[in-house]
Amino acid sequence: GEDVEQSLFLSVREGDSSVINCTYTDSSSTYLYWYKQEPGAGLQLLTYIFSNMDMKQDQRLTVLLNKKDKHLSLRIADTQTGDSAIYFCAESMIDYKLSFGAGTTVTVRA
Amino acid sequence: DVKVTQSSRYLVKRTGEKVFLECVQDMDHENMFWYRQDPGLGLRLIYFSYDVKMKEKGDIPEGYSVSREKKERFSLILESASTNQTSMYLCASSLQVQGAFFGQGTRLTVV
Repeated sequence: GEDVEQSLFLSVREGDSSVINCTYTDSSSTYLYWYKQEPGAGLQLLTYIFSNMDMKQDQRLTVLLNKKDKHLSLRIADTQTGDSAIYFCAESMIDYKLSFGAGTTVTVRA
Repeated sequence: DVKVTQSSRYLVKRTGEKVFLECVQDMDHENMFWYRQDPGLGLRLIYFSYDVKMKEKGDIPEGYSVSREKKERFSLILESASTNQTSMYLCASSLQVQGAFFGQGTRLTVV
């Protein structure tokens, strides 16, 4: 079965980089995703990476994938107060179901 | 932009009531999902559907059923609501691999 793990909390100073880590167990994962959830809202798709890639960059976001170690990370450069949210990593298999981690609550302090 | 709309943001229901949660998407997506979100547990898949009238159980289907009579609409039904079904319910739709798009969520309280 699928199992996705993340640390629960991250505190970062405004302007610094944030790195959120995730591990997954299913080696047949096809795509891996990062979602952001702001208070009282649904999940917003931030970015995704295909399992045969090792890096993807999109403006302030960098996704790194180490398929051998089944480790995924999301780096947010120049973290802003608007980046405070819960971040979920998710993996999908061939049938497009998504399996989510418990979420990392990121708090940005001034 | 993809829009996934859930019929209610907040619901309060009594134990034993039959509860319907409705979800509509406007992008002709084939796949639709219902998740529940609880603190510390992340999102857990209840049911999903990859076509009209098709449904598959997710990880926690007990106490729930679903209906997909039209491609754009996916309904979650709590046959007899119980207090342990108090949760945030999230609907999502997807078109193959581009990732799922979520509604704003329905916070259900069963008293």
